[in-house]
Amino acid sequence: SQQGEEDPQALSIQEGENATMNCSYKTSINNLQWYRQNSGRGLVHLILIRSNEREKHSGRLRVTLDTSKKSSSLLITASRAADTASYFCATEPMYSGGGADGLTFGKGTHLIIQP
Amino acid sequence: KAGVTQTPRYLIKTRGQQVTLSCSPISGHRSVSWYQQTPGQGLQFLFEYFSETQRNKGNFPGRFSGRQFSNSRSEMNVSTLELGDSALYLCASSPRRGGTEAFFGQGTRLTVV
Repeated sequence: SQQGEEDPQALSIQEGENATMNCSYKTSINNLQWYRQNSGRGLVHLILIRSNEREKHSGRLRVTLDTSKKSSSLLITASRAADTASYFCATEPMYSGGGADGLTFGKGTHLIIQP
Repeated sequence: KAGVTQTPRYLIKTRGQQVTLSCSPISGHRSVSWYQQTPGQGLQFLFEYFSETQRNKGNFPGRFSGRQFSNSRSEMNVSTLELGDSALYLCASSPRRGGTEAFFGQGTRLTVV
């Protein structure tokens, strides 16, 4: 079942603009991750933010996490045509005893950067 | 360091047949997870293997199974294929269980006709 829900489902912007995608989830998490997927290929990890972190940066990416609202946002600044892809948030559930239940993915935001 | 390798990349099978997909993780990674991606259901967790043992399984019927070898390579098998099994099957490896990023392969595109 899907835990994360990305918003919007699709986003089209001009090159150079900033793109913001949001993700909401339902249960307690250990961390939240963002992945990019180009045209039905494998997923590429972008950034991981732990439940005790509020904000994280990596190059042109900025991720925020609000565990009280069970939501996260991904900001891509100064977008480029090569950023055109689908973006997914994935949550790793809070677990005990060293077990892991796999990542739960949202349905993704399809981002199109117009040159 | 070589990435995650999945074979084959594309596969066409007939309903009722079975199929085996293979995944070679990044060297040194002991955790291998499998995911199914379809347009309708999105990305769904199938199972995770660590040290040759299945540690977790998603909500899939028993027709879906897998295994992991001592070199951490993993296979997943789907028996009695149904049209709805058509999907992109993705394998991901991690150096440990949880708390870290997953490295995905390019996937195997399975079409059941």
